[in-house]
Amino acid sequence: AQKVTQAQTEISVVEKEDVTLDCVYETRDTTYYLFWYKQPPSGELVFLIRRNSFDEQNEISGRYSWNFQKSTSSFNFTITASQVVDSAVYFCALSEANDYKLSFGAGTTVTVRA
Amino acid sequence: GAVVSQHPSWVICKSGTSVKIECRSLDFQATTMFWYRQFPKQSLMLMATSNEGSKATYEQGVEKDKFLINHASLTLSTLTVTSAHPEDSSFYICSARGYSLSYEQYFGPGTRLTVT
Repeated sequence: AQKVTQAQTEISVVEKEDVTLDCVYETRDTTYYLFWYKQPPSGELVFLIRRNSFDEQNEISGRYSWNFQKSTSSFNFTITASQVVDSAVYFCALSEANDYKLSFGAGTTVTVRA
Repeated sequence: GAVVSQHPSWVICKSGTSVKIECRSLDFQATTMFWYRQFPKQSLMLMATSNEGSKATYEQGVEKDKFLINHASLTLSTLTVTSAHPEDSSFYICSARGYSLSYEQYFGPGTRLTVT
């Protein structure tokens, strides 16, 4: 069974603040993939990152960074110096290597106020 | 590359009618397509997985006679909501992956269905 938990339902910050979104997952597989997606008000999902279970290197892409820790089954996402355009729902998702199905967390709504 | 389109982007229909939603991979061959449903302020729930040329595999609790999925070609999958009712009103999103792609699923823009 797969499970992805995003404990934070909503986060509201003022522009330029940093915001960290938590994601905890459960899987019995040793090979799996973790994803983060952004869903702006338009509804279209925007792919942000994919990580496989064998690559625990943290990654930075512009103002975005991700911290993958297998020891705590977490894959957290940080937006540095947030901007109003970052306002969206962010989903963490898990896929096991053998079936490619995505299990999504409940999502975290981020509101960045000017 | 890896663009997925959906048509229509939104549709309003009367209760009891059927609605067809198309999902197309525009620049790659989609060996597998997935259909998700998202209710307002909720997460995406996988409804079914379809492989080209074979019957779709439905997730537990999804009525296959109500949500007909056809994946007749490598670039097109359709979802037909039969005898729609107001509780079927939702945002339907498809995604696709192909042999040449990695474990990525490329998502369509979604179709908002409102049943009156």
